[in-house]
Amino acid sequence: EPEVTQTPSHQVTQMGQEVILRCVPISNHLYFYWYRQILGQKVEFLVSFYNNEISEKSEIFDDQFSVERPDGSNFTLKIRSTKLEDSAMYFCASSAVQRNTEAFFGQGTRLTVV
Amino acid sequence: RKEVEQDPGPFNVPEGATVAFNCTYSNSASQSFFWYRQDCRKEPKLLMSVYSSGNEDGRFTAQLNRASQYISLLIRDSKLSDSATYLCVEGGGGGNKLTFGTGTQLKVEL
Repeated sequence: EPEVTQTPSHQVTQMGQEVILRCVPISNHLYFYWYRQILGQKVEFLVSFYNNEISEKSEIFDDQFSVERPDGSNFTLKIRSTKLEDSAMYFCASSAVQRNTEAFFGQGTRLTVV
Repeated sequence: RKEVEQDPGPFNVPEGATVAFNCTYSNSASQSFFWYRQDCRKEPKLLMSVYSSGNEDGRFTAQLNRASQYISLLIRDSKLSDSATYLCVEGGGGGNKLTFGTGTQLKVEL
């Protein structure tokens, strides 16, 4: 069964450092997303990406964040200068068609900023 | 106002019981709704989509009430393995984003 894969599973970084979280979406999917979940809180939308550009982003997704699809398979989230409050589980997801369809999630990257 | 609202629970039920969760949403223009399941420290996994006519998948039944802007999930004959957090999710928007509720925790006990 096709699945979304994310690396690394756990990343520890010092405050102020840059991190890149990596994802390989399901191969025939068209929409790609990043979500985050702070411990004990709900899953929050960060950004959606379609046709090689951002289609929607939330207030959380400020100038410190960027996304890229550097090749035909990878989808990355970069946080330029991490803050303590960026500590969370980051989930990548993908979906097959444009609208009203379910998304499938990767197993997540747990980011800990110290 | 919260976009998607759920009772956080926990709901503690004996094995074999029937349990129902409700969820309300604020965007009357929303077109798609889903129930996801999340185990502790794991990713959300799609349980089922929710359609206007309602739908059933084995022991699980989902209903959508557009007039009252709520969706429900019914679990029959609950199993120990059903213990998880059930996430009510609204889909759509320009970027096809999903909006999650805080989740309802279910604990099925012997």
